[in-house]
Amino acid sequence: RKEVEQDPGPFNVPEGATVAFNCTYSNSASQSFFWYRQDCRKEPKLLMSVYSSGNEDGRFTAQLNRASQYISLLIRDSKLSDSATYLCVVTGDSGNTPLVFGKGTRLSVIA
Amino acid sequence: NAGVTQTPKFQVLKTGQSMTLQCAQDMNHEYMSWYRQDPGMGLRLIHYSVGAGITDQGEVPNGYNVSRSTTEDFPLRLLSAAPSQTSVYFCASSSRLAGGASNEQFFGPGTRLTVL
Repeated sequence: RKEVEQDPGPFNVPEGATVAFNCTYSNSASQSFFWYRQDCRKEPKLLMSVYSSGNEDGRFTAQLNRASQYISLLIRDSKLSDSATYLCVVTGDSGNTPLVFGKGTRLSVIA
Repeated sequence: NAGVTQTPKFQVLKTGQSMTLQCAQDMNHEYMSWYRQDPGMGLRLIHYSVGAGITDQGEVPNGYNVSRSTTEDFPLRLLSAAPSQTSVYFCASSSRLAGGASNEQFFGPGTRLTVL
């Protein structure tokens, strides 16, 4: 089983749609979780951290289910500018282990 | 703060040449990492460091060397370039959480390398 798995997409959605991305991870001892966004030919940038209680930032909501080792990202009222690749990221279970990145899910928001 | 800087932005090498990709961060981060990104492959970890003087191998270390003589700098050296090393290379840094795990990573703008 791969450490972090994501549906590669692409997800093609109309403006204003709600879209959800899912991610599963294999290391039950992982401590921290993030969603990153990567635009074409650019570096990945942090979109939001994912907390155990779930968290929201404007149109974006992240959820964590430790029992199922599952992370989700919900985007409401999609904008054209949301078109990008979304990367699920998980830390190791201790120090001295780097972040583990999923391969990403590509989103295209269409006018 | 400049964040994470990488040089050069673009590079073309011939097979067998060696070169060093430079990476520097000014955030006093303990952790630094090098990734390569190829179409359809996602980010793959080459080498990483959890502090000055400490380096370790990632998923795809062959053909690359690193050193971490200072907290700020983490150069990546290609020993003898091969066409398979044509890729986009990202350097990243992060601070250390209280439990020891890595905090969010900040990425440099990347180096686009072509090996002919």
